[in-house]
Order: sequence, then structure tokens, then C-alpha cells
Amino acid sequence: KQEVTQIPAALSVPEGENLVLNCSFTDSAIYNLQWFRQDPGKGLTSLLLIQSSQREQTSGRLNASLDKSSGRSTLYIAASQPGDSATYLCAAYSGGGADGLTFGKGTHLIIQP
Amino acid sequence: DADVTQTPRNRITKTGKRIMLECSQTKGHDRMYWYRQDPGLGLRLIYYSFDVKDINKGEISDGYSVSRQAQAKFSLSLESAIPNQTALYFCATSVGAGRTGELFFGEGSRLTVL
Repeated sequence: KQEVTQIPAALSVPEGENLVLNCSFTDSAIYNLQWFRQDPGKGLTSLLLIQSSQREQTSGRLNASLDKSSGRSTLYIAASQPGDSATYLCAAYSGGGADGLTFGKGTHLIIQP
Repeated sequence: DADVTQTPRNRITKTGKRIMLECSQTKGHDRMYWYRQDPGLGLRLIYYSFDVKDINKGEISDGYSVSRQAQAKFSLSLESAIPNQTALYFCATSVGAGRTGELFFGEGSRLTVL
């Protein structure tokens, strides 16, 4: 069964720093991996979706990479801002219907002004 | 207006009551999902539907039922609510033939069962 781990569970950095959030998965046979942002008490907002054939995706200050062989994905945030404070979740899809989507528990990110 | 709308956003109820959470979407997606989120447990799939005539159980379907009234509407029912069903519930949609595509979530429905 696929397991998705996000370490650290919480991270606090000063404004302006570049940072990397990590997502690891145990079964490398995934079809895609998605990164989400969740603000307190709110729904999940899709940030980036990387298909298994892709190595990375970029959107503005965000860059997500995927290394299936090592079972890892990273979300790089450039020039962090206080508005980036949120919980970031990743989800790996391993096939077999909707049951094949496994979420990590998220990294709670705080950007200090 | 949100593409995926959930009602109610907050609900407090008592043990044994029947509760319905509703979800509607304007994205035109065929696939709809219900998840629950609990602190420390992450997101878990309750039910999903790939089209109007298709209903599938997820990881934690016991104590829940669903109805897909139309392509745009997917409701979740708790026939007899119990306290351990207190959680944040999310509806989500996606489009994708054969493989799960990008998921889009509603704002969530916070349910408290006393």
C-alpha cells in the first residue's frame, strides 16, 4: 500500500528566503503527483500537478520536481512571503480508481514577516 | 462564485440525527469525491462517483451513504450521526479518462456531532 510522508510537519522561515518542502512515497509506480495548499479552515487549492513522464512543473514562484526512482517530490518556493503561510500537502496517484490517491499529512509553513 | 460549493459550511448536531452534506459544481467534471479530514490522520476517501450511475466506496464508507443526483450534484448522508464523525468534510471533482486528473476541492463542511 502506498504511503506518502511529508517532513517536516512544520517549518518557520523568515520572509524572503527560498525554501523546499519534501514529499516522499514508498511505491514509485505512480501516474502523477499533485501539490496543494490549504489555508486554516479552508479547502485545498491545487498548486501543481506533475505527470509521471514529467520531471518538473512551474507556476510563478513555485517549482515542483518529481523523481520517481527515488520516491521523492519537492516543492520549491522562491522569495517567500507572509502570504505563503499555509499547510502544503502532496498526493500521489498510483492507479486503480480514486482509492489509488494517497495524501501526505502536510507541512505547516509559517513565513515570518 | 466557487466552482465547487458545499452546504452547509458548519453544522452542529446531536448523536443519532440524520445529516446531509451537499455538494454542487460548475466545472462540468464527471468525477466527484467525498473526503474527510481529521487532525493527525490526513485526508481519507469516503465515497466517489465517476458518473451519475456510478457510486464506489472509499476507504472509510461505513456509517455514510451518498447520492449522485445529477452530474453537478453529489450529496453525503450520515444516517445516524455519532461523535467520531466529527470532522471537516470535503467534496472534490476531477476530470480524467482512465487516470485521476487534477483535483479541485470545495471549501469544506465542518461537522460537529455532540
